[in-house]
Amino acid sequence: EAEVAQSPRYKITEKSQAVAFWCDPISGHATLYWYRQILGQGPELLVQFQDESVVDDSQLPKDRFSAERLKGVDSTLKIQPAELGDSAMYLCASRLTSGNTGELFFGEGSRLTVL
Amino acid sequence: DQQVKQNSPSLSVQEGRISILNCDYTNSMFDYFLWYKKYPAEGPTFLISISSIKDKNEDGRFTVFLNKSAKHLSLHIVPSQPGDSAVYFCAASALISSGSARQLTFGSGTQLTVLP
Repeated sequence: EAEVAQSPRYKITEKSQAVAFWCDPISGHATLYWYRQILGQGPELLVQFQDESVVDDSQLPKDRFSAERLKGVDSTLKIQPAELGDSAMYLCASRLTSGNTGELFFGEGSRLTVL
Repeated sequence: DQQVKQNSPSLSVQEGRISILNCDYTNSMFDYFLWYKKYPAEGPTFLISISSIKDKNEDGRFTVFLNKSAKHLSLHIVPSQPGDSAVYFCAASALISSGSARQLTFGSGTQLTVLP
């Protein structure tokens, strides 16, 4: 069964360091999402791509966060510098196309702990 | 301002009984609703969905009800099983301002515990 792949599963870093997460969506899925989930809360959208283009990054803290999907396939989310409040689960999800109402398929997430 | 609210952070139910999880939303532009289930250390997995043109959708033990006038939806699980113990997220979908893409907004989740 096709899956959304994410790495690393777990990352521990010190504040002010740089950290990067990688996501490979289900093959053929044009739409890719990065969500952040803080413990006890629901996932919050950070950025949404349609192919290689950003569709929505209104909730992305652009002073420290960046995301790219250069070839419209896999994607990288970077945080520099990391802050204590960035500790969370970072979830990647994909969907076949952006405009339909089909479900999002999530990866297992990358758990970030900032010390 | 939370557009999708799950006011019950936790729910405990006896095995075999009905579990009812509730969700309220405020944005009238939401036209499609989904429920996701999440186990610890895993990503959310899709459970069931409903379009705003319907008021009920059923899939096996899972039924979702939508009351558009009240901006309220609920997930019923009958009968509940211990394996259903997980966090359940309500999510609502709407076209974003550009008009060509959809955004999915999640509630804060409800931890369901089914007691054997």
